[in-house]
Amino acid sequence: QVQLKESGPGLVQPSQTLSLTCTVAGFSLTSYNVHWVRQPPGKGLEWMGVIWNTGGTRYNSALKSRLSISKDTSKSQVFLKMNSLQTEDTATYYCARDSGWGDYFDYWGQGVMVTVSS
Amino acid sequence: IMLTQSPATLSVTPGESISLSCRASQSISTNLHWYQQKPNESPRVLIKYASQSISGIPSRFSGSGSGTDFTLNINRVEPEDFSVYYCQQSNSWPLTFGSGTKLEIK
Repeated sequence: QVQLKESGPGLVQPSQTLSLTCTVAGFSLTSYNVHWVRQPPGKGLEWMGVIWNTGGTRYNSALKSRLSISKDTSKSQVFLKMNSLQTEDTATYYCARDSGWGDYFDYWGQGVMVTVSS
Repeated sequence: IMLTQSPATLSVTPGESISLSCRASQSISTNLHWYQQKPNESPRVLIKYASQSISGIPSRFSGSGSGTDFTLNINRVEPEDFSVYYCQQSNSWPLTFGSGTKLEIK
């Protein structure tokens, strides 16, 4: 059974770094790509970046300077780190698996709400 | 690539059949996918590659289109269909989503 689950702090102070973990089950990170997508409260979806099954990464240029995605295949975990957080980074952060071709997202985590506030 | 969804909100009565639109700022072939998101839930894929069905999704959902104009059709809306619908393109990077169409009960 394919599952993804995000974890991390619910509250981050402005200018600090956000660290999130996506723990997956039911598939291997050496076979599938995992993306991060975020959604501000009451707004739409924004693609942030992807870590390929090979370990390479691709980021949204709007976030590229602040964002890093990595993984530990042995632990079935994908990590997101984003620095210099501002209030506009307040959002629900989702990890999602793509079908294998970097195209559409066939499985999503439940999401984790992150609030940026002092 | 920008995706423009219309209308922003659609009010319908259960049992009606509807069409939602997604227009791309440039041609994306059929690299367009549709999602449904219910309140406080994660999105769920409904249609892949403009018109291809997804296992487990009711047959009342269908998609069409290519190039820049795409449509999600719902044949005879059920009460559980009232939610927000997003389109997403995978033709070029960065992957982008439309702003969504909210389907609400009239």
